[in-house]
Amino acid sequence: DAKTTQPPSMDCAEGRAANLPCNHSTISGNEYVYWYRQIHSQGPQYIIHGLKNNETNEMASLIITEDRKSSTLILPHATLRDTAVYYCIVRVAIRTGNQFYFGTGTSLTVIP
Amino acid sequence: GAVVSQHPSWVICKSGTSVKIECRSLDFQATTMFWYRQFPKQSLMLMATSNEGSKATYEQGVEKDKFLINHASLTLSTLTVTSAHPEDSSFYICGWGRNTEAFFGQGTRLTVV
Repeated sequence: DAKTTQPPSMDCAEGRAANLPCNHSTISGNEYVYWYRQIHSQGPQYIIHGLKNNETNEMASLIITEDRKSSTLILPHATLRDTAVYYCIVRVAIRTGNQFYFGTGTSLTVIP
Repeated sequence: GAVVSQHPSWVICKSGTSVKIECRSLDFQATTMFWYRQFPKQSLMLMATSNEGSKATYEQGVEKDKFLINHASLTLSTLTVTSAHPEDSSFYICGWGRNTEAFFGQGTRLTVV
């Protein structure tokens, strides 16, 4: 089962930063936080992941709180093409490998 | 890099027939792969996880005899929906796990009529 909770929807003005929160209060010490997004009727697209430290790549930044119970995905300058459902996932390690359980996600709408 | 090809992208079949969905990793190899399904306006639900050469591990409530998974190699896996019924109509998505990451296909929309 998913170990994350996210707000169901958010709006963001084009060109502004989009800050998407995620709660994962039951996360274990060695479990990573991942973010994917899904544009309508397509497969999920990887955005970023992290364990403890904040991370940044060409798409976004990931801010993880010190207690690791929550995180925020930041899209620094949202564009209309960033309209999608954003999933925050805690990767669960099992005996046979890793599993990715998707939560309900946040539907982000970027407004012109 | 990390391209996953899923085929077909959409399929319509008659009730009672079987449908096979193919998932390939084109430019990498991975031992673990996942199958998900997604109903309209809902999230992805993990159906099963499999490792190359081993039997798939199915999530609770997913019938292993109905959703047959063949994980033939480090780059190819298939999902066969046997004796499909209208309630099996859904968006099916495959994913490959490599090291700490997972890469997903573009999905197959199955409609059973």
